[in-house]
Amino acid sequence: RKEVEQDPGPFNVPEGATVAFNCTYSNSASQSFFWYRQDCRKEPKLLMSVYSSGNEDGRFTAQLNRASQYISLLIRDSKLSDSATYLCVVNTNAGKSTFGDGTTLTVKP
Amino acid sequence: GAVVSQHPSWVICKSGTSVKIECRSLDFQATTMFWYRQFPKQSLMLMATSNEGSKATYEQGVEKDKFLINHASLTLSTLTVTSAHPEDSSFYICSARDGDRVKPQHFGDGTRLSIL
Repeated sequence: RKEVEQDPGPFNVPEGATVAFNCTYSNSASQSFFWYRQDCRKEPKLLMSVYSSGNEDGRFTAQLNRASQYISLLIRDSKLSDSATYLCVVNTNAGKSTFGDGTTLTVKP
Repeated sequence: GAVVSQHPSWVICKSGTSVKIECRSLDFQATTMFWYRQFPKQSLMLMATSNEGSKATYEQGVEKDKFLINHASLTLSTLTVTSAHPEDSSFYICSARDGDRVKPQHFGDGTRLSIL
């Protein structure tokens, strides 16, 4: 079993749709959590950190469930420009970062 | 803040050439930098962790004599692909953290390496 698992998708949604991605992690010592987006042939870019109380940044909402060891990303009112691969990243307190394989989202007109 | 610069962004070389890639943290100091490789339609693969002033830590299966890492200052790490061959063609990306171990990594723009 991988340390960080994501549904690879692809998720194909129409513009304006709401879409949610989940990510599960196996290391209970994990301390910090992030979502990145990666466009084709580009480097990953930090989308948002994920906090225990949940956090929102515009159309994006991130949630953390430590008991069940998963994090989620909700995108509301999807735009064409949201099409990308979304990577879940988990850090342990020892500084090790583990990346999920990514979930591919395609938003269609 | 937390900008990481990588150079060059694209390299095309003949087989047998050694290629050096630079990774710089522009607005912060990074005692640790990370080197990744990514093949088309595959996930990021951590190659090694670069430690300022000491030897890099390589992941299993990554040849340290093939991929030389030097982290001589708090803002610069270099990866040299020695005697590159076509199978080394890939997208190489570096990253660094601005702060402690629980902070996120920030990535350079990546270097697309093509060996003919």
